[in-house]
Amino acid sequence: AQKITQTQPGMFVQEKEAVTLDCTYDTSDPSYGLFWYKQPSSGEMIFLIYQGSYDQQNATEGRYSLNFQKARKSANLVISASQLGDSAMYFCAMGSHSNYQLIWGAGTKLIIKP
Amino acid sequence: SAVISQKPSRDICQRGTSLTIQCQVDSQVTMMFWYRQQPGQSLTLIATANQGSEATYESGFVIDKFPISRPNLTFSTLTVSNMSPEDSSIYLCSVEDRDRDGDTQYFGPGTRLTVL
Repeated sequence: AQKITQTQPGMFVQEKEAVTLDCTYDTSDPSYGLFWYKQPSSGEMIFLIYQGSYDQQNATEGRYSLNFQKARKSANLVISASQLGDSAMYFCAMGSHSNYQLIWGAGTKLIIKP
Repeated sequence: SAVISQKPSRDICQRGTSLTIQCQVDSQVTMMFWYRQQPGQSLTLIATANQGSEATYESGFVIDKFPISRPNLTFSTLTVSNMSPEDSSIYLCSVEDRDRDGDTQYFGPGTRLTVL
């Protein structure tokens, strides 16, 4: 069965520090993708970054990077130089080419302190 | 990436009534999805809506409670029928869009529903 685990229900980080949000996954599908989304208090779900299972390099998108360790089945999100506006819920999700459905983690609530 | 709008953005409703949520996309898409996010929870897929066919519902969701329309490739509606306080949630529509990241789901801004 496919599963996404986010072990950090909440995190407090000082502004300008780097943040790592953990995500581990389980799947038997050889081809899959991992996604990170940000959900501010407004409720919208914002796509941040994607990592394909066959991608050789870790994905990067501005201040976001994905630390993809395939053997460990982890796909941690790294936010560099955190800002107050980064305070939000962050969700890790997985999709496979055999199933359009996204499997969602429970989320991590990130609070950036000034 | 596709741009998605939803209406209403929020509503407060009385129990026993129904609310129809609209989802509009700025481009033609094959697959549209409806999710529910209960307070403090992650997302749960309600159903998948493809144009020209009946929606496919996930376990625990039925058409009588959550009827869905998909009249064309840019629009869908979700109705929450005979509401109870347990239906208080954020309802999100999403579309699958093929871009440089592969098949990525993009979400609308959500509809925050409170049932009294």
